[in-house]
Amino acid sequence: SYVLTQPPSVSVAPGQTARITCGGNNIGSKSVHWYQQKPGQAPVLVVYDDSDRPSGIPERFSGSNSGNTATLTISRVEAGDEADYYCQVWDSGSDHVVFGGGTKLTVL
Amino acid sequence: EVQLLESGGGLVQPGGSLRLSCAASGFTFSNYAMSWVRQAPGKGLEWVSAISGSGGSTYYADSVKGRFTISRDNSKNTLYLQMNSLRAEDTAVYYCAKNTGIAARSDAFDIWGQGTMVTVSS
Repeated sequence: SYVLTQPPSVSVAPGQTARITCGGNNIGSKSVHWYQQKPGQAPVLVVYDDSDRPSGIPERFSGSNSGNTATLTISRVEAGDEADYYCQVWDSGSDHVVFGGGTKLTVL
Repeated sequence: EVQLLESGGGLVQPGGSLRLSCAASGFTFSNYAMSWVRQAPGKGLEWVSAISGSGGSTYYADSVKGRFTISRDNSKNTLYLQMNSLRAEDTAVYYCAKNTGIAARSDAFDIWGQGTMVTVSS
């Protein structure tokens, strides 16, 4: 089955740039979606189809996808960005949705 | 306003059954695939099942295949998850989510419900 690998944690100072990676075999050939989840809340879609943003999501959130790694980039990080972030793809080989294990973003 | 409201969660004994419902509003329900995603306490997101807009195609995670059944009633704008032969490891918050497409493939989940807790314990 297809596996997505995320770092368990990423720490960044306010105002700096956070990069959260999502590794998978030839993930560049898939559409990658990213979710933000704050404690006690439902996930929120922040990037879809590798690099598109839903309405209402700040331009500070961006995504890229190539080769074996997709990346969510959060520029000018704010305290309110502290959350868990998950990547997600559709695996056509198994007809399954696959989530990464999640990355906890800590704003120092 | 686009909204999803889950119901039906609760405490059930191992081997028991439960049916979750998700009432949708604010969009043309039949034009979108729908999915269930769960999250065990303190754990990450786990996809459970998906169904196409017409209901003609369904997909299941290996962990629930043969025990759970996803369905939808487009006349009632409602998504269901029938859960049988429940196990302790099925304990989780269950979210329904709206897919961005109609076929349930390569979709993102752009709208989520607030979740309903299912606890499987004796």
